[in-house]
Amino acid sequence: EDKVVQSPLSLVVHEGDTVTLNCSYEVTNFRSLLWYKQEKKAPTFLFMLTSSGIEKKSGRLSSILDKKELFSILNITATQTGDSAIYLCAQTNTGNQFYFGTGTSLTVIP
Amino acid sequence: GAVVSQHPSRVICKSGTSVKIECRSLDFQATTMFWYRQFPKKSLMLMATSNEGSKATYEQGVEKDKFLINHASLTLSTLTVTSAHPEDSSFYICSASADSYPYEQYFGPGTRLTVT
Repeated sequence: EDKVVQSPLSLVVHEGDTVTLNCSYEVTNFRSLLWYKQEKKAPTFLFMLTSSGIEKKSGRLSSILDKKELFSILNITATQTGDSAIYLCAQTNTGNQFYFGTGTSLTVIP
Repeated sequence: GAVVSQHPSRVICKSGTSVKIECRSLDFQATTMFWYRQFPKKSLMLMATSNEGSKATYEQGVEKDKFLINHASLTLSTLTVTSAHPEDSSFYICSASADSYPYEQYFGPGTRLTVT
């Protein structure tokens, strides 16, 4: 049974488009929801969300958590080819376990 | 942010030999370390979770006798691929997490294993 489900699995957009990536999760002993960007090597950290409704922002990327509906979204505005990557979300629980989604593969074409 | 290193970054070995990969947390104590395997263009596949001083917990389908994990200290975990075969060729990534705020998982740079 999947604990973290991401959608879409893959996405192809043109430069300048805005994309929204989705992540739904289970609630058991929830601690945080994390987003990562993975390019050629190991994932790099983007955001950690613990509170509902508070948007976190970094440049063109932003993310928000809905603890009532058990999901998070990652928005990327004015996409660039350098945004092409796999975006992973992960839920952590109070037992320090991490559950990764399958990732969304984003391709931004010029 | 915290730093996790892996060594070696790239290794080529012959079929039937064993390879050891080290994962170190350089500036924090990692109570939990994770080992992942990644296939091209796919997401990470968790292989096992190890807690310092105890046996690793392997995910379903991962052979514990083939992928030996040791987490002997709070800063070092090792993954040994025993009797390697070409199908074991992959990118192996470790990550480390401290058991205190912010509980984030820090990833190592990965190790590219090629078995010939």
